[in-house]
Amino acid sequence: QEQLEESGGGVVQSGKSLRLSCDASGFTSTSFTIHWVRQAPGRGLEWVALQSSDGLSDHFAESVKGRFSVSRDGSKNTFYLQMNGLRGEDTAVYFCAREMLEITPIAWGYYLDSWGRGTLVTVSS
Amino acid sequence: SAVTQDPAVSVALGQTVTITCQGESLRGYYASWYQQKPGQAPLLVFHGRNSRPSGIPGRFSGSTSGNTASLTITGARAEDEADYYCFSRDFTGSPVTFGGGTKLTVL
Repeated sequence: QEQLEESGGGVVQSGKSLRLSCDASGFTSTSFTIHWVRQAPGRGLEWVALQSSDGLSDHFAESVKGRFSVSRDGSKNTFYLQMNGLRGEDTAVYFCAREMLEITPIAWGYYLDSWGRGTLVTVSS
Repeated sequence: SAVTQDPAVSVALGQTVTITCQGESLRGYYASWYQQKPGQAPLLVFHGRNSRPSGIPGRFSGSTSGNTASLTITGARAEDEADYYCFSRDFTGSPVTFGGGTKLTVL
């Protein structure tokens, strides 16, 4: 059974860095695009970043562009979200999720079929 | 968000409710739908043209028309009370996006 588990969250001072990990099991990490999604306290889901299955392409939300980066270690089946220059507004639960793609003659559909439980990042001033 | 949802919807127990998601990207890309209960990770409940993941009750269904995707719960149960999010392609900057979420209350 496919599973994802995040770790690395905690309390960090504003301006500092933190690296989150997402451990994958039950599937080969290099075969899938992985997304990072966050949820600030009492707020909705916010898409943060993705890294393509081949590791050659990544994209970021405007709110984190230039501060966050993604990487993966295929040998460990682990994905990483490196967060630099953290701000108070980055306080959130961070989830990683696996992307699937459905292609039909009419339309395409992206969906996230497996999610971790999330890890809380709190940025203090 | 490039896709928008009504913030809140309510339904009487056992009745049918439809949650909608609007956005231009939905004319060419299917939405996927996620249920989230407090303190839990989102759970995929519907995706694509007509796909429901294993374990998701048959009362959950979806559809798309024009720039609107819909998630319908037929015969809502108390345990369906949750936040629901749509997710799809985004043409306004980021490659993908979530809707703002709809809080479903089962009365």
